[in-house]
Amino acid sequence: GAGVSQSPSNKVTEKGKDVELRCDPISGHTALYWYRQSLGQGLEFLIYFQGNSAPDKSGLPSDRFSAERTGGSVSTLTIQRTQQEDSAVYLCASSLVTNTEAFFGQGTRLTVV
Amino acid sequence: QKEVEQNSGPLSVPEGAIASLNCTYSDRGSQSFFWYRQYSGKSPELIMSIYSNGDKEDGRFTAQLNKASQYVSLLIRDSQPSDSATYLCAVSRGAHDMRFGAGTRLTVKP
Repeated sequence: GAGVSQSPSNKVTEKGKDVELRCDPISGHTALYWYRQSLGQGLEFLIYFQGNSAPDKSGLPSDRFSAERTGGSVSTLTIQRTQQEDSAVYLCASSLVTNTEAFFGQGTRLTVV
Repeated sequence: QKEVEQNSGPLSVPEGAIASLNCTYSDRGSQSFFWYRQYSGKSPELIMSIYSNGDKEDGRFTAQLNKASQYVSLLIRDSQPSDSATYLCAVSRGAHDMRFGAGTRLTVKP
């Protein structure tokens, strides 16, 4: 596709359920970032993938959060046993390589009820 | 100290004026600097990138970088109401992630 694609656009889930959020980066982009943005807040870094290197997981807020990137392309962010404080917009971005311009998807709005 | 700091604003300027947005960063090893614009309810949109000291101009936008002072700014000339948004400063640290400031909310009044 021409841009970064995220799915679903919106997700409502019950507290305690697991959710999977998907990010399809721009073709050929080797760097992929996940951020979280709570209402009225800035972007909170979650995890970063660069090529085949080990991901930088330093931003993951708890062990309920995990992410993988298969074949250096599509990435999935998984949140287990969701809590109400996990409600936020989850944003994915990709760039050609690290240190270059990154482009965002439209985000997934997660609501935990 | 936060890694990337911005004045949260809100910053209000009249239409046609120059809006000046500022950002400081803590990691001297930072290599790449970006400005994003985010409209309410939308995802961030890249408007400028700058990699070396000095000024970089693109239309009504000018980014300025001073690595010695660890300072990057964005000037918006001839501000328009459509420029009203939150502006995010982002800093990339080599083989590391890209970190964002909290953003400055800009309002351009007709």
